[in-house]
Amino acid sequence: EIVLTQSPATLSLSPGERATLSCRASQSVDTYLLWYQQKPGQSPRLLIYDTSKRATGIPARFSGSGSGTDFTLTISSLEPEDFAVYYCQQRVKSLTFGGGTKVET
Amino acid sequence: EVQLVESGGGLVKPGGSLRLSCAASGFTFSNYAMSWVRRTPGKGLEWLSCVIGDGRDTYYADAVKGRFTISRDNSKNTLFLQLNSLRAEDSGLYYCAKGYSVSAQHWFDPWGPGTLVTVSS
Repeated sequence: EIVLTQSPATLSLSPGERATLSCRASQSVDTYLLWYQQKPGQSPRLLIYDTSKRATGIPARFSGSGSGTDFTLTISSLEPEDFAVYYCQQRVKSLTFGGGTKVET
Repeated sequence: EVQLVESGGGLVKPGGSLRLSCAASGFTFSNYAMSWVRRTPGKGLEWLSCVIGDGRDTYYADAVKGRFTISRDNSKNTLFLQLNSLRAEDSGLYYCAKGYSVSAQHWFDPWGPGTLVTVSS
């Protein structure tokens, strides 16, 4: 099983700041890495697929990068609605998720 | 607008069974693979099972293989998950989610609101 490790577990930032979230895979997932956002009381929402492609309706302040085993989700300037938990997921071998990073103010 | 609504969760004793349903609307249901994903306190988000568009092929995570069974009724735009031999660690919020294409899940978009399963004596 491919294990995804997200860091940090919690990121404390203020609106307007830049957020950088990390996801590390236990083996290469090529570029088949995705990101989801989950707000309290809501279901996860797909943000980024295949490392860097934004899903429909996702603002340009969200961007993804990386390849192989190391990936980054960047939120260029945090909006109030961006404070949430973010999960990465790989699709190269079965489908597995990371443990999540909580972005809090 | 794509909508997914799960139902069928509840409180069940260890060793018991439940059947979850997911009603889909807003898209051509038979054209997409569908999955069940759960969120548990112990393991976070965990993909459980996927069924391709025509229902002929199914896939399971090792943790639930042999205990859970996925199926779909394309005439009723409904996805099912039969949960048997339930354990305390199966307690959590169960989501259904739409896949990428008729034969591939790849990712989960969108997700339903989830249905809560609690396994306790």
